[in-house]
Amino acid sequence: QPALTQPASVSGSPGQSITISCTGTGSDVGGYDFVSWYQLHPGKVPKLIIHGVSHRPAGVSDRFSASKSGTTASLTISGLRTEDEADYYCASYRSADYPHVVFGGGTKLTVL
Amino acid sequence: QLQLQESGPGLVKPSETLSLTCTVSGVSTSVSSHCWGWVRQPPGKALEWIGTVYESGSAYYTPSLRGRVSISVDIPKKHFSLRLTSVTAADTARYFCARTNGGTYYDAFDLWGLGTLVTVSS
Repeated sequence: QPALTQPASVSGSPGQSITISCTGTGSDVGGYDFVSWYQLHPGKVPKLIIHGVSHRPAGVSDRFSASKSGTTASLTISGLRTEDEADYYCASYRSADYPHVVFGGGTKLTVL
Repeated sequence: QLQLQESGPGLVKPSETLSLTCTVSGVSTSVSSHCWGWVRQPPGKALEWIGTVYESGSAYYTPSLRGRVSISVDIPKKHFSLRLTSVTAADTARYFCARTNGGTYYDAFDLWGLGTLVTVSS
């Protein structure tokens, strides 16, 4: 089964808000609240920014928020900053085909 | 503060076995239990979850690698390892080790290593 579906790229200007979607099925995103989001800057350690669908780890800016509706999870970044330019990945527990974790295809965020 | 660092050969020949170790250093302030896992990213492609191991040694793997992959943990020595057999060029990737933020294998990874690039080539 393919990875979770994310848009390949999104863009926004400083100060704006953007939303990245992550679409799965009832066997993953839609069936469980084990959805997480990661931020990857090239050459840096990946960073967990959301876990459990909408929970922010300590130290993560409240400009990052997330939710889920049906089989689609969404990450919203408000008040865009140039340092937000990075790749973003969602991940989810998947119960089908031997339980495991699956990542999305990744979204490149460009801050114009 | 806890840190993770991957180590192992950067070049592996096709059909051979890829072996990586993740060393855990520093002091953990966490009082909860954790699992330990591996994620990889082929050049220009997306992240792929490889698998996660409990401190008891039980492990879960992604279906596409089952039969070729094993993850083990050595708590006293503070490291855990990845072994991937019969590698091909498709296994060329940056390999990350990581720790979950909870005690189940599908919890999110809240602590990551920088990753190590492994190339499969003769």
